[in-house]
Amino acid sequence: QQPVQSPQAVILREGEDAVINCSSSKALYSVHWYRQKHGEAPVFLMILLKGGEQKGHEKISASFNEKKQQSSLYLTASQLSYSGTYFCGTEQAGNYGQNFVFGPGTRLSVLP
Amino acid sequence: DSGVTQTPKHLITATGQRVTLRCSPRSGDLSVYWYQQSLDQGLQFLIQYYNGEERAKGNILERFSAQQFPDLHSELNLSSLELGDSALYFCASSVQAGNNSPLHFGNGTRLTVT
Repeated sequence: QQPVQSPQAVILREGEDAVINCSSSKALYSVHWYRQKHGEAPVFLMILLKGGEQKGHEKISASFNEKKQQSSLYLTASQLSYSGTYFCGTEQAGNYGQNFVFGPGTRLSVLP
Repeated sequence: DSGVTQTPKHLITATGQRVTLRCSPRSGDLSVYWYQQSLDQGLQFLIQYYNGEERAKGNILERFSAQQFPDLHSELNLSSLELGDSALYFCASSVQAGNNSPLHFGNGTRLTVT
């Protein structure tokens, strides 16, 4: 079962902030975040390995609360280049091994 | 450039046919993943290999099969193709098999079944 993401989509003006949430009904041991621009491949942003740990990438940071089985991605002072679809990913037990699965994605549009 | 190479970039074929998609992982990466992405949809996990061995299998159809060769490149074989198989197929690679290593994606193969 894949993680759940919210919101499904968000529209921002340049300079505004956004938060994207990722949660799972199964235990999370780590959470990955990726961004995919239209027509391109997903690109790795960061990994969160421990509960409460925050990592940063430019003006993008994230937190991970393993007790609540959720992670949040924070985009501060958004830029036009932040537009794209953001996916969280994690390894979860499947019928045949540990599957690396992604959430359905959050589409972010940053307008001038 | 992620260092992951996928060929071909585009593939157009008819229903009932069989195709092979190829992936060369980044130098040093032992793990290869295959994902299917239908138009404007999410990334559906198909299968993962680690150092030549199958490590995990997702919702991969029986008409699909894959393998990883000794030189670590991987191939995804799709047979008896249906219109619904039209999608973007991504390969990704990582250094290790677990969830502590970032996945690096190739540019994908766009498959169109007519």
